[in-house]
Formats: sequence, structure tokens, C-alpha cells
Amino acid sequence: DAGITQSPRHKVTETGTPVTLRCHQTENHRYMYWYRQDPGHGLRLIHYSYGVKDTDKGEVSDGYSVSRSKTEDFLLTLESATSSQTSVYFCAIGPQGRHGYTFGSGTRLTVV
Amino acid sequence: DQQVKQNSPSLSVQEGRISILNCDYTNSMFDYFLWYKKYPAEGPTFLISISSIKDKNEDGRFTVFLNKSAKHLSLHIVPSQPGDSAVYFCAAKVYNAGNMLTFGGGTRLMVKP
Repeated sequence: DAGITQSPRHKVTETGTPVTLRCHQTENHRYMYWYRQDPGHGLRLIHYSYGVKDTDKGEVSDGYSVSRSKTEDFLLTLESATSSQTSVYFCAIGPQGRHGYTFGSGTRLTVV
Repeated sequence: DQQVKQNSPSLSVQEGRISILNCDYTNSMFDYFLWYKKYPAEGPTFLISISSIKDKNEDGRFTVFLNKSAKHLSLHIVPSQPGDSAVYFCAAKVYNAGNMLTFGGGTRLMVKP
């Protein structure tokens, strides 16, 4: 979608390796979020940012860290990937009026 | 403890008929509700929303109903079309208390031609 991109779109990694996912926005939005989507659990908030260098934990933050050194980039790092972190990860910006968030297209991460 | 629940993981409907997707919430502080639609390999996209001061909001074929006393909302799609086949997420927030959205588990809708 215009304004927010995620990279990579797909990644396979081995247990115990570090992984970084990138979210890039061109909307100059203050708030950015990382969610994971798993069957039966919907979308669960991992971490969010309310400005450069300002971040906070979400519902499922264990095993994840984030960084935001520029308004446009929000990085999600798995320090030592585990199989339970196999998921689809979505970045979002918002709120944007009555629409709430705008989501990126997602990153499918498989930890083997 | 899930504050927003969608108890039906899937729903199958015939083309042209009505689809009704349900959502329940437990946090009485929620005062703004949204529905998102998600196609495979894409991010969720906004569909329709409703404020707690209303009990109904309509946008074309999509209508959301809110029953605050029951802490229940529903999304009606009339008539259903095959292109409506997707996963639908219900979400809720406290409008003037931060920007966090809390999502339900999603319902997969399949509209059969």
C-alpha cells in the first residue's frame, strides 16, 4: 500500500539466529506499530513507537526489540529466533482519522 | 484475556445472501469500533467503523450494528459477493486515550458463487 512498505516480504531463518524486519513509511506519521498475526489469535501488538527513539511494549513483546532512529523507519529485531516466532508480521501507522491504522503488506517469517 | 472476541473462526455464505459477522468485547471503556478486511498475502484494510454514540453505521453493502448493553457488534454484508471472501477483523479502542487498537481473532468469510 502507498506510504508504508515492509521488507523482506518472506524470510526463512534458523533457530537461534538474529533477524531484523524493516518498516518504512513516507507519511511522516508519529505512531508506528508492529503486530503479529497467528491463527486463532488475530493481530497482537508486539511493540509500538510514538516518536523517534520513543518506543513501548505491547501485548507479546518477549523475545523482540525495536528501534526507531528516524521518523520513517521502525525496525523489529528477533535477537535469537525461535520456532514460536514463526508468524506473519505487520507494521502499521496511525491513527488516521476514522480509519484507524494503515497496514503494510506483511512479512512472512519462518523459523526452522 | 482477550478483550475483543470473534467466536466464529469461519463462515460460509451463498452469493447474494446476507453475511453476518459477530464480535464481542469485555472492556466497557471501548468507545470506537472498526472492522478490517484482509485478503491473503496483503495487509488488513479498513472497512467501516462506528462510534459508541451510534448504534448503526452504513456504507453501501456494509452495515455495522452496535449493542452497547450487550457489548456486541456485528457486521452485515448484503448482498454478499465472492469478492467479499476474506478474513474480517473486529477492532476496538478508547477514542481519546491513546492510539491502541485491540483486535479480535478474525473470522474467515467464504462466499460461494
